[in-house]
Amino acid sequence: IAGITQAPTSQILAAGRRMTLRCTQDMRHNAMYWYRQDLGLGLRLIHYSNTAGTTGKGEVPDGYSVSRANTDDFPLTLASAVPSQTSVYFCASSRGPDNNEQFFGPGTRLTVL
Amino acid sequence: GQNIDQPTEMTATEGAIVQINCTYQTSGFNGLFWYQQHAGEAPTFLSYNVLDGLEEKGRFSSFLSRSKGYSYLLLKELQMKDSASYLCAVTDSNYQLIWGAGTKLIIKP
Repeated sequence: IAGITQAPTSQILAAGRRMTLRCTQDMRHNAMYWYRQDLGLGLRLIHYSNTAGTTGKGEVPDGYSVSRANTDDFPLTLASAVPSQTSVYFCASSRGPDNNEQFFGPGTRLTVL
Repeated sequence: GQNIDQPTEMTATEGAIVQINCTYQTSGFNGLFWYQQHAGEAPTFLSYNVLDGLEEKGRFSSFLSRSKGYSYLLLKELQMKDSASYLCAVTDSNYQLIWGAGTKLIIKP
């Protein structure tokens, strides 16, 4: 692994289904982030984690949950997907919460029908 | 509220110079970033300004005026590969990144 990876690359999901988007980094960064990006809108922060064992809510957290059991992994779960969660999801990391050069994963394109 | 404004789209000619502006209103300021994002790809870091003035990095330069809440990204000697979206982002007092919607730059031969 080099950098930050996400899985799956894309997914089509039926409404009401549960889905976990995976994110792994090998840079030993303390801080990690989940964003969604929709056409015409900026990146919107869903949840973040400043260090392993802690998480926080971003701008649009409803319908999503995260966990940070270790430094490398930061999965994002949609408990019961809805069509408005159709988006491109980016995971990112930075050395620390006050060192904000963020490195992005390649993204997951999610379609909820 | 917090707000980042940048033009939605700009067009420029290969070999020319283009300036992409960004104005911001945020609760506190701890730095401003510019990122480049090609279609279908992830954003990648271009520049960081925390003090007033111009930062130059090859063909790209970024300027910041904190008193005016204003930044610009200057791209020189434009190449076709510079066709992308350019995202302005500001770190607020809580060290959260606030993102603009991005400027789509179209380069014509």
